[in-house]
Amino acid sequence: SQTIHQWPATLVQPVGSPLSLECTVEGTSNPNLYWYRQAAGRGLQLLFYSVGIGQISSEVPQNLSASRPQDRQFILSSKKLLLSDSGFYLCAWSVQGGRGNTEAFFGQGTRLTVV
Amino acid sequence: AQSVTQLDSQVPVFEEAPVELRCNYSSSVSVYLFWYVQYPNQGLQLLLKYLSGSTLVESINGFEAEFNKSQTSFHLRKPSVHISDTAEYFCAVRDTSGTYKYIFGTGTRLKVLA
Repeated sequence: SQTIHQWPATLVQPVGSPLSLECTVEGTSNPNLYWYRQAAGRGLQLLFYSVGIGQISSEVPQNLSASRPQDRQFILSSKKLLLSDSGFYLCAWSVQGGRGNTEAFFGQGTRLTVV
Repeated sequence: AQSVTQLDSQVPVFEEAPVELRCNYSSSVSVYLFWYVQYPNQGLQLLLKYLSGSTLVESINGFEAEFNKSQTSFHLRKPSVHISDTAEYFCAVRDTSGTYKYIFGTGTRLKVLA
């Protein structure tokens, strides 16, 4: 069966420090991968998605970047964190093509607090 | 582009009462529709989905949702809620062709009162 791992679960970082959040998927190949941010009252905001290695689509201009160095690995980064980067970050994956598995599957999330 | 509107940010309801969580969407193309549930500090879990066919879809824990194309709605209902249903509920859409983007609403916090 497929599983998604996201770490760390919680993170407290000072303003101006770098960020690296990692997400890996097991049990499937060539998944679509996603990074979402959840802020109070704003629902889930799609930040980045990827349909293949090295293919990243950015949805919102911001202080963050994403990379997909391997098929089942998706990394969210920042060179210098801002206070406004605080939030709950969720990684997700979905199957490419087909009609059966059309939903997205989510990791457990990372609570990032920038201080 | 698609968008999802969940007008109710919070819905308080007494235990064993019925509840409806509203979801409306906007899209110029055909979409798949989803309801997800999120418990505190956890990821999202799929509750139910509409792909095609029967417009009424059901989950294993008593929730149901009805796709209404003319009203572009996908409201979630449960005839009798339990304390354990207290959570945040998100409606989402994805177009049926190949963009693979899931667009979510702002969520509805369901609080079941004893």
